[in-house]
Amino acid sequence: GAVVSQHPSWVICKSGTSVKIECRSLDFQATTMFWYRQFPKQSLMLMATSNEGSKATYEQGVEKDKFLINHASLTLSTLTVTSAHPEDSSFYICSAPSRTYGYTFGSGTRLTVV
Amino acid sequence: GENVEQHPSTLSVQEGDSAVIKCTYSDSASNYFPWYKQELGKRPQLIIDIRSNVGEKKDQRIAVTLNKTAKHFSLHITETQPEDSAVYFCAASSGGSYIPTFGRGTSLIVHP
Repeated sequence: GAVVSQHPSWVICKSGTSVKIECRSLDFQATTMFWYRQFPKQSLMLMATSNEGSKATYEQGVEKDKFLINHASLTLSTLTVTSAHPEDSSFYICSAPSRTYGYTFGSGTRLTVV
Repeated sequence: GENVEQHPSTLSVQEGDSAVIKCTYSDSASNYFPWYKQELGKRPQLIIDIRSNVGEKKDQRIAVTLNKTAKHFSLHITETQPEDSAVYFCAASSGGSYIPTFGRGTSLIVHP
C-alpha cells in the first residue's frame, strides 16, 4: 500500500530556532501533500496544501513566512517551522492523497519548543 | 467550504456492545467519506471508507452507512473490544480537490 515516511518523529528545540520536518512518499508519487497540526484531544487542522513544483496554498490564519513549505519533488515535501516559539509546540502530520488508498498519513512529528 | 459535524465527542461502551458515531456534511459535492482511527500519539489509520455511489459498506465488525439526501454518514462498530478504544475521525471530500475536511473526533472507550 501507499506509505508516507515522516521524520523526525519528535524534536525538542530552543525558542527562536528553526525546525524542518520531512515527509516522503515511499512507493508512490505524491503530487500533493497536506500538512496538518493537531493539538491534544483535538482534530486535525489543515495548515497548508503543497503541490509539487508550485507554491503551497495556506489556510486562513496560517503564517506562510513562519511555516515554510517546499515540495521540490514528487516524493518529498518539507515543512520548516521558523523562529519557533513555545506556542508552536504541537503534533504536526502530513498526508498524501492517492486514488487507491485515500489519504495516507505520515507518522507525525511531536514538536516541543522550550 | 465543507463543514463536517461529528457526534458524540465521547462514547463509552461495555465490551461486546455496539458503538455508533455520526457525521453530517454540508457540501453536496462531497463524494468520498473515509473514517480514521487514531491511537494516542500515532498517525490516523484508515479503517473504512465509502463513496457517494454506495449506501452501505461493511468490513467484518465495522460498517459505514451514507445518506446522501440527508448528508449524513455513520460508523457502526459491533461486538466492541478494548482494543477498539481510540479516537475516531470522519472526513468528507469532493473528487475535484481531494482536500478532506475532518470532523472533531470521537473518543471511544470500551470497558472490559
